[in-house]
Amino acid sequence: EVQLVESGGGLVQPGGSLRLSCVASGFTFSSYAMSWVRLAPGKGLEWVSGISGSGGSTYNADSVKGRFTISRDNSKNTLYLQMTSLRAEDTAVYYCAKNAYYYDSSRYAYYYAMDVWGQGTTVTVSS
Amino acid sequence: DIQLTQSPSFLSASVGDRVTITCRASQGISSYLAWYQQNPGKAPKLLIYAASTLQSGVPSRFSGSGSGTEFTLTISSLQPEDFATYYCQQLNTYPRTFGQGTKVEIK
Repeated sequence: EVQLVESGGGLVQPGGSLRLSCVASGFTFSSYAMSWVRLAPGKGLEWVSGISGSGGSTYNADSVKGRFTISRDNSKNTLYLQMTSLRAEDTAVYYCAKNAYYYDSSRYAYYYAMDVWGQGTTVTVSS
Repeated sequence: DIQLTQSPSFLSASVGDRVTITCRASQGISSYLAWYQQNPGKAPKLLIYAASTLQSGVPSRFSGSGSGTEFTLTISSLQPEDFATYYCQQLNTYPRTFGQGTKVEIK
């Protein structure tokens, strides 16, 4: 069974740090890009960070640039999100997601989507 | 960054109704669009990718269409389990932005 399990969430003071983990199973982890997506209270989904299968390329939303770092350890089938300088507006449920890719032979193109999601881990930034 | 605008933001409908949600992109994204369904307290679920391809296991009452800057998600006959929030997402460029969501409520 393909599965993602996040951990590491909790209550942290403004300015603090936290590291989230996401353990993958049931698929060849190193073959897939991965993402972190969050859902803040009363808000919509926000894509946070992405990383290639090898870990050689990373991408971040402007809202977390310079504060959050995405990384992965393919030997441990684990995705990470290191969060520093946390703010109240970072309070959210954080999901990791597997980035699937699909080849459409009729359009000669690869397409992408987030096909497997973890259950989420809650981060609360408050004094 | 590419902005996605969904309409409507809220939709009240009855079981059996045909429902259409629109997603407009601030610039052309070809067919690099996915749709997700999310229920409260649950992880999002992929419904459609490549704008119109149904993810395996998703009921055929869901369909997607569009390309370029305008896309639609249609539920042909709303079922009780379909009352949820729906999001579009562009996967043409980084950052992989989402629309603001459309909440489908019971009338």
